Amino acid sequence: QSVLTQPPSVSAAPGQKVTISCSGNSSNVGNAFVSWYQQFPGTAPKLLMYENNKRPSGIPDRFSGSKSGTSASLDITGLQTGDEADYYCGAWDSRLSANWVFGGGTKLTVL
Amino acid sequence: EVQLEESGGGLAQIGGSLRLSCLVSGITFDDYAMHWVRQAPGKGLEWVSTINWNSVDIDYADSVRGRFTISRDNAKNSLYLQMNSLRAEDTALYYCVKDSRPYLFYMDVWGKGTTVTVSS
Repeated sequence: QSVLTQPPSVSAAPGQKVTISCSGNSSNVGNAFVSWYQQFPGTAPKLLMYENNKRPSGIPDRFSGSKSGTSASLDITGLQTGDEADYYCGAWDSRLSANWVFGGGTKLTVL
Repeated sequence: EVQLEESGGGLAQIGGSLRLSCLVSGITFDDYAMHWVRQAPGKGLEWVSTINWNSVDIDYADSVRGRFTISRDNAKNSLYLQMNSLRAEDTALYYCVKDSRPYLFYMDVWGKGTTVTVSS
């Protein structure tokens, strides 16, 4: 079971908006930046969002991130079939042994 | 362009050992912390280990602590993962991942991975 909680799947029609949530606690999301990763089948994950809401170069502004308290969210607007992928949130965790934690991943289906 | 190329994966017996390597190019290697992250077949991402730029700060997931050892050779632009006492549950695709800073901050560039299969 992952430390960060994400919905296993979300779906929406092309052109619509979808939100993927990421819930943690005060030792991770509540006191650390959240990053998001996009993974297409058979390929390595790719950084999609960092420091809660910053997009790396090349990531379209259809993707946006936010954080409030111990929860973070990734919004994708103007959905495209090419957005179908698995999405993971991640954050540093300040438990006794500092480490990194991931969410369980959310499979996005564009209907 | 940053490139991370993993190698060393393969088939190992339960209780056996493997050593993974990651050759990094396109950056000043010792400016960044590095990580190993694994993904079991059909499963999500699992952080395995982190090493900061000068190897002073090292940490492991509880699932591998005491069995795996992360190291780096900045002169060779290389990251390593020595995996001992392997278990069936260590079967996964292992990714070498670059951090954005010299210390743990966030992972920004991923290699393509190397597959480790542990079987009796």
